[in-house]
Amino acid sequence: AAGVIQSPRHLIKEKRETATLKCYPIPRHDTVYWYQQGPGQDPQFLISFYEKMQSDKGSIPDRFSAQQFSDYHSELNMSSLELGDSALYFCASSLKAGGPTDTQYFGPGTRLTVL
Amino acid sequence: AQSVTQLGSHVSVSEGALVLLRCNYSSSVPPYLFWYVQYPNQGLQLLLKYTTGATLVKGINGFEAEFKKSETSFHLTKPSAHMSDAAEYFCAVIPSYNTDKLIFGTGTRLQVFP
Repeated sequence: AAGVIQSPRHLIKEKRETATLKCYPIPRHDTVYWYQQGPGQDPQFLISFYEKMQSDKGSIPDRFSAQQFSDYHSELNMSSLELGDSALYFCASSLKAGGPTDTQYFGPGTRLTVL
Repeated sequence: AQSVTQLGSHVSVSEGALVLLRCNYSSSVPPYLFWYVQYPNQGLQLLLKYTTGATLVKGINGFEAEFKKSETSFHLTKPSAHMSDAAEYFCAVIPSYNTDKLIFGTGTRLQVFP
């Protein structure tokens, strides 16, 4: 079965650089979520989109922005990178048919390292 | 604020022994509860979830969890551990009806010894 695809899988950037992470949801899924998992920490919700509109927002820095495109893929743009942004970034997708209990299927993550 | 507490950041069991991973939540409304498993260098995989109905929920790989409202708990169990169960386990909650963001606990690393 098709899964959530994230690219790139690994990314190394210098401080103050920008990074773009991409997420391709499971086909026919209409909702995308972004989570950040710091080293040894639990995943933290950043932002979500439903039908290309932002649906919820968590502790996402102002330096970060995201959007969902017409083909439902999503991109997380990160600017002025800081050392503390080094983390595993997960994308998840769901089909918002029944509400918040719809299962969120997670991708393998993008490991961002900021030097 | 809604939160999830996982007691024990590390749990070690022998192969064939009972697995018990503890999760307590705080929520002002009936929550939706989830257990996810994360294998090394992989994403999160849903083990099971509780939304409504039967409080004993069965999941994949022989895991199950019981929602106990009086104890605000959702502990994960498996009767007999297998070496392949070694992984990080996260309990998560969606704490209200008007959001679908997952709030995760800090995780429990399960080690299985032969």
